[in-house]
Amino acid sequence: GAGVSQSPRYKVAKRGQDVALRCDPISGHVSLFWYQQALGQGPEFLTYFQNEAQLDKSGLPSDRFFAERPEGSVSTLKIQRTQQEDSAVYLCASSFRRVLEPMNTEAFFGQGTRLTVV
Amino acid sequence: AQKITQTQPGMFVQEKEAVTLDCTYDTSDQSYGLFWYKQPSSGEMIFLIYQGSYDEQNATEGRYSLNFQKARKSANLVISASQLGDSAMYFCAMREGRTGGFKTIFGAGTRLFVKA
Repeated sequence: GAGVSQSPRYKVAKRGQDVALRCDPISGHVSLFWYQQALGQGPEFLTYFQNEAQLDKSGLPSDRFFAERPEGSVSTLKIQRTQQEDSAVYLCASSFRRVLEPMNTEAFFGQGTRLTVV
Repeated sequence: AQKITQTQPGMFVQEKEAVTLDCTYDTSDQSYGLFWYKQPSSGEMIFLIYQGSYDEQNATEGRYSLNFQKARKSANLVISASQLGDSAMYFCAMREGRTGGFKTIFGAGTRLFVKA
């Protein structure tokens, strides 16, 4: 399909396990975002890539969270030593513009990965 | 302080009626953008409408319109002629031009139920 694809759709991890979540953005999209959406809440920004460069990682909640986009297309969000508070939906979004100017540049979202830590 | 406030956790509307979803925001930037997204049960966020802080006219996109009151810092979404398929979560969001960098800030959302 032509949209943003995320895998897996669902992931159950035991506490302390490492997980890797994958995002395939729309082909040619320069900008890529990761968001965390807790149950009953709006998405919260985690990190931003422009091509392969991670320009903003201010939203990553701890050093257990790590994101990469080595070739400027597919991105992986890795969570080490998962904790119960990491349970959430992780959304990926991409946009064809670099710096989201003009301001109304739309980002296209994937369906998310629901992570449950037990 | 909350940057985006959506005070209605849930709203009901009769099919074919109009409904207003409330959103207030807080920013000290002069340049900012306001968005509304729809999130159906499938999970993806679907862009609905955008309003720029310097736009003098309220944005409209089909059945969606944004009631932008800059002095009151409100950006309410109006959905006209509601359809059963409009049942979903709706999120108000903001991007700040000067201080916001690349992030979009979302509210907690309003769940809309459309009754047949």
